Amino acid sequence: GAVVSQHPSWVICKSGTSVKIECRSLDFQATTMFWYRQFPKQSLMLMATSNEGSKATYEQGVEKDKFLINHASLTLSTLTVTSAHPEDSSFYICSAKDVGGDNQPQHFGDGTRLSIL
Amino acid sequence: GQNIDQPTEMTATEGAIVQINCTYQTSGFNGLFWYQQHAGEAPTFLSYNVLDGLEEKGRFSSFLSRSKGYSYLLLKELQMKDSASYLCAVMDSNYQLIWGAGTKLIIKP
Repeated sequence: GAVVSQHPSWVICKSGTSVKIECRSLDFQATTMFWYRQFPKQSLMLMATSNEGSKATYEQGVEKDKFLINHASLTLSTLTVTSAHPEDSSFYICSAKDVGGDNQPQHFGDGTRLSIL
Repeated sequence: GQNIDQPTEMTATEGAIVQINCTYQTSGFNGLFWYQQHAGEAPTFLSYNVLDGLEEKGRFSSFLSRSKGYSYLLLKELQMKDSASYLCAVMDSNYQLIWGAGTKLIIKP
């Protein structure tokens, strides 16, 4: 149980392109989903918390107009990296928490490796 | 401020036992999580402790002492596939996860 699917797993695109990443909870409902970024050999960095039916909460320093988050249902959140540039190249990982309680563990998708040329 | 400390890197031998420590200082406490992350992959959930004591799950055990702000992950009968980073994360009073930087565990034959 507690499977999170993230798609695509790998994206290579030109600078200026917008890229959409999907995160789905397959066998549970997730009121809250999280988007992380991880640069090579560094720790996870929380970008934003996505809440179903409401606006996402962004961490300090994360541009909300550049990283658009939509959490339209209890099983789907999307992150769109708008007008991506080489410095946005990173490993993006989503996680989801079951509606069962605030102290439920986060379950992670497999991540999306984004390379901007 | 909120802080999670764990060693950057540890080395152990296949078949042996290793203990990875984590100390924390957070605003409130609603549980401590351990995750495993293989290189280039997303983290996978290992354990959750909210009460003091030892939780055993197969070859992996996790211990918590809330009064000391301390936890450890114990890995027994180490296998080469256990080579990974181990992330300690604490849930604070707002149910936000505070992540440690991770401990890279290297297993040698």
